[in-house]
Amino acid sequence: QVQLQESGPGLVKPSETLSLTCTVSGGSISSYYWSWIRQPPGKGLEWIGYIYYDKSTNYNPSLKSRVTISVDTSRTQFSLRLNSVTAADTAVYYCARHELGGNPRFDYWGQGTLVTVSS
Amino acid sequence: QSALTQPASVSGSPGQSITISCTGTSSDVGSYNLLSWYQQYPGKAPKFIIYEVNKRPSGVSNRFSGSKSGNTASLTISGLQAEDEADYYCCSYAGSRTFVFGGGTKLTVL
Repeated sequence: QVQLQESGPGLVKPSETLSLTCTVSGGSISSYYWSWIRQPPGKGLEWIGYIYYDKSTNYNPSLKSRVTISVDTSRTQFSLRLNSVTAADTAVYYCARHELGGNPRFDYWGQGTLVTVSS
Repeated sequence: QSALTQPASVSGSPGQSITISCTGTSSDVGSYNLLSWYQQYPGKAPKFIIYEVNKRPSGVSNRFSGSKSGNTASLTISGLQAEDEADYYCCSYAGSRTFVFGGGTKLTVL
């Protein structure tokens, strides 16, 4: 059974960089696409971006200037960096898997991790 | 790239059927049959219940069905049950290898 687990600081200061890692277990990281999705408290879901195991990426145009997603296949992990954060970036951040780059069929999700941006 | 439009809330009584709409544009929902629906309970990660407009993953009840007409997709839940009370989100391919979610709909089972 594939499992995803997000990890990283739960509190980030304004203007700093948010960094999260998603560890994949129970399955291969190869041949799949791996996305980050976030959800501000009490609000809806927002797709942030994805990476393929070959390190190719695509990002939400509204966040593209601040986002970097990377992958470490040897450690079956992929990571999110979001710089210059503000309070608007406070959200539960999820990692999720999909089989095709153009198909929003997110079949496995992490449990989510809350990141609060505050001084 | 704007969020897809969903009603904020819908409600129904046990046994009834309800439909949740998801309206986009000709650049996303209207152009691709690449739309999924997700069910989310409070404090939990979303779970996909419909993909490619009208396909159900294994293990998902056949009470859930999806359809699309033009720029609007719909999720129908028949034989409503108390356990269906949750938030529901649509998500569409939006071109250029990007995705867009709907704002979410809270389903209340009366």
